[in-house]
Amino acid sequence: KNEVEQSPQNLTAQEGEFITINCSYSVGISALHWLQQHPGGGIVSLFMLSSGKKKHGRLIATINIQEKHSSLHITASHPRDSAVYICAVTSNSNYQLIWGAGTKLIIKP
Amino acid sequence: EPEVTQTPSHQVTQMGQEVILRCVPISNHLYFYWYRQILGQKVEFLVSFYNNEISEKSEIFDDQFSVERPDGSNFTLKIRSTKLEDSAMYFCASSGLAYQETQYFGPGTRLLVL
Repeated sequence: KNEVEQSPQNLTAQEGEFITINCSYSVGISALHWLQQHPGGGIVSLFMLSSGKKKHGRLIATINIQEKHSSLHITASHPRDSAVYICAVTSNSNYQLIWGAGTKLIIKP
Repeated sequence: EPEVTQTPSHQVTQMGQEVILRCVPISNHLYFYWYRQILGQKVEFLVSFYNNEISEKSEIFDDQFSVERPDGSNFTLKIRSTKLEDSAMYFCASSGLAYQETQYFGPGTRLLVL
């Protein structure tokens, strides 16, 4: 049983395209996180949100608590955006971070 | 910019041996975490640590594992008798004041058990 589901699993797009990655979760949460994992393995936190929308540069993250759904958008995508994007949620029952399987994004020049 | 560091970056060990993975969290952070990622799989929570004791641990974190903050800077994960299935990337993370703060991750230690 996957408590955090992401779609798509893989996404290839051309430079400049608008990218959307989706995340659905089935548990009660106190926060949702979007993270980026580089090919070398390093993990960087992009966003942590519990409601509404956050924007940082070309990245936008939204969450709909009622629908238990979040999206990560990348505007004007660039080859350097190529990475695995992971959705994770902080469970409000045990405060553990539950991770999705990730979306592998490739942006072609 | 402050960062979380981990040593070693790679470790190869024989099955049954003990390994200690080391982490230096960001200096003013209070919460510390260990995660593991088996090759090709999702990241899994192992344990969180606050105020010199374990706050939460997952089912994976059995008696073979232990964590310690031996001094004011290091945070260690010990695996007592390694198994083949312990081969994974182990990430340390830290956050400031609460679970709900952004976690900052170290670069990981890749452990290979032969």
